[in-house]
Amino acid sequence: GAGVSQSPSNKVTEKGKDVELRCDPISGHTALYWYRQRLGQGLEFLIYFQGNSAPDKSGLPSDRFSAERTGESVSTLTIQRTQQEDSAVYLCASSLARVGEAFFGQGTRLTVV
Amino acid sequence: AQSVSQHNHHVILSEAASLELGCNYSYGGTVNLFWYVQYPGQHLQLLLKYFSGDPLVKGIKGFEAEFIKSKFSFNLRKPSVQWSDTAEYFCAVNTNAGKSTFGDGTTLTVKP
Repeated sequence: GAGVSQSPSNKVTEKGKDVELRCDPISGHTALYWYRQRLGQGLEFLIYFQGNSAPDKSGLPSDRFSAERTGESVSTLTIQRTQQEDSAVYLCASSLARVGEAFFGQGTRLTVV
Repeated sequence: AQSVSQHNHHVILSEAASLELGCNYSYGGTVNLFWYVQYPGQHLQLLLKYFSGDPLVKGIKGFEAEFIKSKFSFNLRKPSVQWSDTAEYFCAVNTNAGKSTFGDGTTLTVKP
């Protein structure tokens, strides 16, 4: 596609439910990032993929969070047993080279009620 | 570990005023530096970047930034802001380890 695509764009879920967020990076981009942006705050790094390996998972806030990537394609971020503090916009970005410009998706706005 | 600090959380200016947003980073090795902008309701997008060479880089819409290695700084400037520059601005550092670290962002409000 022309840009990074994320789905769903909005998700409302009940506390305790699991959610899965999807990111389709730009074709050919080897690097993929997940960030979280809480209301009024900056970007919080979650995880970085190079291909389908994740050399840096240091930003995942707890073991309820996990992510995987298929080859150099789609990535999913899964949050198990969601909590209200998980409410945020989850942003995905991809880049052509490891140190290149990051292209962002429009984000998934997650609301846990 | 690398970190990025943006000194101003919210800046309010009148049109035609000059802008300078501060960005300092901490990392001892080679870095690539970026400024991203997020206009209301839009994606984050690249404003400008520095990889090497001339430390004064020019980006879109009249923005520029200067890399001062001795000060670990990459401040963003624009001589005369417009109402349409109202947005959130993020400074970012990327190292050869591959991970990009973003600052907390600065919200710029330009009054017409």
